[in-house]
Amino acid sequence: QKEVEQNSGPLSVPEGAIASLNCTYSDRGSQSFFWYRQYSGKSPELIMFIYSNGDKEDGRFTAQLNKASQYVSLLIRDSQPSDSATYLCAVETNRDDKIIFGKGTRLHILP
Amino acid sequence: NAGVTQTPKFRILKIGQSMTLQCTQDMNHNYMYWYRQDPGMGLKLIYYSVGAGITDKGEVPNGYNVSRSTTEDFPLRLELAAPSQTSVYFCATQAGNYGYTFGSGTRLTVV
Repeated sequence: QKEVEQNSGPLSVPEGAIASLNCTYSDRGSQSFFWYRQYSGKSPELIMFIYSNGDKEDGRFTAQLNKASQYVSLLIRDSQPSDSATYLCAVETNRDDKIIFGKGTRLHILP
Repeated sequence: NAGVTQTPKFRILKIGQSMTLQCTQDMNHNYMYWYRQDPGMGLKLIYYSVGAGITDKGEVPNGYNVSRSTTEDFPLRLELAAPSQTSVYFCATQAGNYGYTFGSGTRLTVV
């Protein structure tokens, strides 16, 4: 089983709708979870981090964590064309404190 | 405040040549990392360092070497370039549990 799994997409969402990005992880003891946005040809940039079960909101972004199901998601409300990018899920494993990245989901916001 | 600076941005190497990818940070972070990113394959950890004088291997260290003589600098050395090392290389730093700050990347082609 891969350590951090994401659907590669592309995920196409109409402008103004909610984009939902999902991620599962295998290390049950993981404590820290991150979402990075990466535009084509650019480096990843951190947009959200979450440590506790439940929801964390920051502007149009909401991260959701369910440790029992080993599932973390990112919701983007009122999607804009500028949100079109690849979104990387990252998990800090309990085993050695390293951060493991998923392969990313490509998101395309349709104008 | 420059953050994480990587040089060069682009480089073409011939098979068997050597080069050093430079990474410098001005954030006084102890933890530094080198990742490579291949299309559709996510980020793979090459080497990391938890402080000056301390380095360790990541997931894909073969063909690479690193050193960490100061907090600021973490160069990555390729000794005998091979086509399999064609990739985009990212340096990153970490402060506490707040995720990574990435440099802008070096796009390397080995021909």
